[in-house]
Amino acid sequence: DTEVTQTPKHLVMGMTNKKSLKCEQHMGHRAMYWYKQKAKKPPELMFVYSYEKLSINESVPSRFSPECPNSSLLNLHLHALQPEDSALYLCASSQADRSGANVLTFGAGSRLTVL
Amino acid sequence: GNSVTQMEGPVTLSEEAFLTINCTYTATGYPSLFWYVQYPGEGLQLLLKATKADDKGSNKGFEATYRKETTSFHLEKGSVQVSDSAVYFCALSERGSQGNLIFGKGTKLSVKP
Repeated sequence: DTEVTQTPKHLVMGMTNKKSLKCEQHMGHRAMYWYKQKAKKPPELMFVYSYEKLSINESVPSRFSPECPNSSLLNLHLHALQPEDSALYLCASSQADRSGANVLTFGAGSRLTVL
Repeated sequence: GNSVTQMEGPVTLSEEAFLTINCTYTATGYPSLFWYVQYPGEGLQLLLKATKADDKGSNKGFEATYRKETTSFHLEKGSVQVSDSAVYFCALSERGSQGNLIFGKGTKLSVKP
């Protein structure tokens, strides 16, 4: 299995809702990432988990709450979002290859619309 | 700080034309360099990579060479197809950065039959 699977593919939520995005990989990768991508822009890093521990938080608002229940799963809990949070949310995982370079494998993304 | 600059798009080509997308970078150490491709409505896919100076990454007819002297990693393809229409991102990752990618702004390529 060489894929990163994200669910749901599309999500529409109101500003008072609580929802979660899910990400799963079975490649044995020990680093997992959340990126946010707005239209016609490159992805922006939100969080990095390394060996199931949060290692990077790029000053993301607390209405986004990541969780890594085990080495294969990564969740992003959403609460009290704003319309400007509408974006494509990309999950990725990585491990170092033989050259020592960390190669990220991305999922297809979850497209979030906040009304 | 580290950064990636790639040519602004959109780029429109006819099928079988030659493609070059320029990418230059600024880095304090010895980064790994990547090209990712994003097809409409999809996530990013790794197209090719290079991890040290003079390395050439290649995949699906695309090539890019890690040029340390010019801090460049230009993407080329000799004959593009309609199916190559996508957004192409150049990116770098510093060793020890936990794999965090720094992306260029992306270049949209449209190939017409």
